[in-house]
Amino acid sequence: AAGVIQSPRHLIKEKRETATLKCYPIPRHDTVYWYQQGPGQDPQFLISFYEKMQSDKGSIPDRFSAQQFSDYHSELNMSSLELGDSALYFCASISTSGGNEQFFGPGTRLTVL
Amino acid sequence: AQSVAQPEDQVNVAEGNPLTVKCTYSVSGNPYLFWYVQYPNRGLQFLLKYITGDNLVKGSYGFEAEFNKSQTSFHLKKPSALVSDSALYFCAVRAVSGTYKYIFGTGTRLKVLA
Repeated sequence: AAGVIQSPRHLIKEKRETATLKCYPIPRHDTVYWYQQGPGQDPQFLISFYEKMQSDKGSIPDRFSAQQFSDYHSELNMSSLELGDSALYFCASISTSGGNEQFFGPGTRLTVL
Repeated sequence: AQSVAQPEDQVNVAEGNPLTVKCTYSVSGNPYLFWYVQYPNRGLQFLLKYITGDNLVKGSYGFEAEFNKSQTSFHLKKPSALVSDSALYFCAVRAVSGTYKYIFGTGTRLKVLA
């Protein structure tokens, strides 16, 4: 079965650089979520999209932005990177007409040097 | 406001013994409740969920959880632990109505000792 795809899997950036993370949800899933997980921490909700519109906003810094495109893939854009942005970034998707459980991608490990 | 509490940072259990990982929640109205497992450097994997119906739900890998409305709890259980169950476990909640926002607990590290 198709799963959530995230790219890249690993990313190394310098401080003050920008990064773009991509997420491809499971086909026919209508809602996409982005989470940030620091070492030894629980996933922190950043932002979500339902049918390409922003549906909820969490603890997403102003330096970050995200959008969902017509093909339902989503991108998380991160600018002016800081050392503290180093984390695992997960994307998850659900079908709101389905079972309500989130399906997570493998994550992108971002390291800011 | 929604919240989830996992009171134990770590649970140690001997292989073959029963295990319990605790979760309590707070949500306005009826909840959707979930358990996920995370292995090192991997994404979260869905284990089981409570949406409605029978309070005892069964999930993947022999895990089960009991929804207790009066105690607002959703503890994860397994009758006989395996070393391979050692991982990080997250409880999550979502309100039935309104937002589709999910709130995760802080996680419990389960260590099964051979």
